[in-house]
Amino acid sequence: DQQVKQNSPSLSVQEGRISILNCDYTNSMFDYFLWYKKYPAEGPTFLISISSIKDKNEDGRFTVFLNKSAKHLSLHIVPSQPGDSAVYFCAAPYAGGTSYGKLTFGQGTILTVHP
Amino acid sequence: GAGVSQSPSNKVTEKGKDVELRCDPISGHTALYWYRQSLGQGLEFLIYFQGNSAPDKSGLPSDRFSAERTGGSVSTLTIQRTQQEDSAVYLCASSFWTGAGNEQFFGPGTRLTVL
Repeated sequence: DQQVKQNSPSLSVQEGRISILNCDYTNSMFDYFLWYKKYPAEGPTFLISISSIKDKNEDGRFTVFLNKSAKHLSLHIVPSQPGDSAVYFCAAPYAGGTSYGKLTFGQGTILTVHP
Repeated sequence: GAGVSQSPSNKVTEKGKDVELRCDPISGHTALYWYRQSLGQGLEFLIYFQGNSAPDKSGLPSDRFSAERTGGSVSTLTIQRTQQEDSAVYLCASSFWTGAGNEQFFGPGTRLTVL
């Protein structure tokens, strides 16, 4: 049962353009989400998060949008840079009851930014 | 300060052999997590430790998998009688606390190949 889904395995954009990475979830108890970025042969690194009390969170070139009614979130990167080329994962830390901790990850989207 | 370290970085073993994977978390982090990423898959939760509480083992795929955390610091993930489907990158992460907003810091992973 895939509770967090990233339906686009890959995305290719031109440098300077906007990258939009999408993520859907099925568990209505999820109330916090994180995006991680992963380069080859490295562990994932935290990028940005959003709480369900917000519908938008912005950090520099990165903005995450949350649509709770649609159970959908998206990560916008603008402008995209070649160094943004990596695998992006969305994740939810809700573990059931009042417990948080272990992350449920989506399958990841490979972003390639062309110069 | 030092990040999360894992050893070995690569491990090749024969089917049926036991393997041990090691994780050194960031000093002072009370929570430690193990995940794995199989080829073409997202990150899958395995087990996590929080302070002195009993570990959450709900993600371990079979009783061939076990983990321990000694002295609240270093952790070892043991896979007994390895199978080819155990081939994956095993990632360790640690965090100050467990909660909705906790950021997990990941190590570079151990790539396990079972021949």
